[in-house]
Amino acid sequence: GAGVSQSPRYKVAKRGQDVALRCDPISGHVSLFWYQQALGQGPEFLTYFQNEAQLDKSGLPSDRFFAERPEGSVSTLKIQRTQQEDSAVYLCAIPSPTGELFFGEGSRLTVL
Amino acid sequence: QQQVKQSPQSLIVQKGGISIINCAYENTAFDYFPWYQQFPGKGPALLIAIRPDVSEKKEGRFTISFNKSAKQFSLHIMDSQPGDSATYFCAARGSSASKIIFGSGTRLSIRP
Repeated sequence: GAGVSQSPRYKVAKRGQDVALRCDPISGHVSLFWYQQALGQGPEFLTYFQNEAQLDKSGLPSDRFFAERPEGSVSTLKIQRTQQEDSAVYLCAIPSPTGELFFGEGSRLTVL
Repeated sequence: QQQVKQSPQSLIVQKGGISIINCAYENTAFDYFPWYQQFPGKGPALLIAIRPDVSEKKEGRFTISFNKSAKQFSLHIMDSQPGDSATYFCAARGSSASKIIFGSGTRLSIRP
């Protein structure tokens, strides 16, 4: 997605390691979403920011998952003590003024 | 609880044929129904979307049919081409909710 840059594109972690995934939207976007897409599945909502405020974190699967957007622009999704079931593509998305979501290309996390 | 159910899981169609993917939803508060197309290694991209006040929307070879009473909607791809081979996701969003909920996806293959 031209409006969202995600890094790293690929990350391999050993079980138990902490990882941080970055989402850098084009400037001026108030809202930002994180989704998790397991292999062969549809994206599942994780969390939503409006500026720096995390308004909905109901989709975070455990307290090992933490997201922040301290200055209302770049967002980081942090996963502590990674487990094999955390292996997935993590997608960042920004909405258009009419609500359509535009996704980045995602960060593929593989936990060994 | 799966709020958006999608079928089939996979579909093979001959070039020039019609591809049909079906979805059903449960929450009558949903008021926006997009379809996303995803190629390997890429994020989902918005293809076409419909709101429940119309029964059909057509954009080029792509048509959404919407049946509000049955809580079902479908994507029709006319004159299917090999370049249409991708995974397709239906989705839904409620007017009071900010997140989009996705179906489980349909892997479409168009045979030349």
